[in-house]
Amino acid sequence: DAGVTQSPTHLIKTRGQQVTLRCSPKSGHDTVSWYQQALGQGPQFIFQYYEEEERQRGNFPDRFSGHQFPNYSSELNVNALLLGDSALYLCASSLWNTPWEKLFFGSGTQLSVL
Amino acid sequence: DQQVKQNSPSLSVQEGRISILNCDYTNSMFDYFLWYKKYPAEGPTFLISISSIKDKNEDGRFTVFLNKSAKHLSLHIVPSQPGDSAVYFCAATSTGGATNKLIFGTGTLLAVQP
Repeated sequence: DAGVTQSPTHLIKTRGQQVTLRCSPKSGHDTVSWYQQALGQGPQFIFQYYEEEERQRGNFPDRFSGHQFPNYSSELNVNALLLGDSALYLCASSLWNTPWEKLFFGSGTQLSVL
Repeated sequence: DQQVKQNSPSLSVQEGRISILNCDYTNSMFDYFLWYKKYPAEGPTFLISISSIKDKNEDGRFTVFLNKSAKHLSLHIVPSQPGDSAVYFCAATSTGGATNKLIFGTGTLLAVQP
């Protein structure tokens, strides 16, 4: 049973570019959340998708957008990249409205913005 | 505004001894708390949780204590093992709130020396 898978594992972009990160949830899960973990910080909630809709959003600008597909996989898009967007981006999946203990994280995509 | 704080960036403990990791929070609406463990190049994995209606929860070598009046929780690992060496994140949430999301602390790097 595959867990949460994210691609790519590493990515280098330059300022102003756009980036798309991908996530496949754990088998049987229907809800995907995205987190940003900057160096030396804890993960920060970006947004959550369920039934192909953004259900909750953290304190991130509109440059951060997402999508969920009918197969429950998800994409995170970041436009007009800034140096400060360099971080580990974590995807987490669960079943909608299940306990927090059932939230599973992927290994993340390390994004470097030069 | 750091609502969940882990003031010790790192902790070193001898194998077999007790490890105590601390976490403070400022938001009195938080009523559910979790600890996650993160190894390098892996996503965080759930370790143990506690509801605000309890002051202690135990799972094998891991015990979490909650002091609501002090807005403080701690994770005790007894006995510590080299495989426990990882970054530990404290996370909090408000289960009755409109936005049900996890707020993470900055993490504590635990090194268990053989």
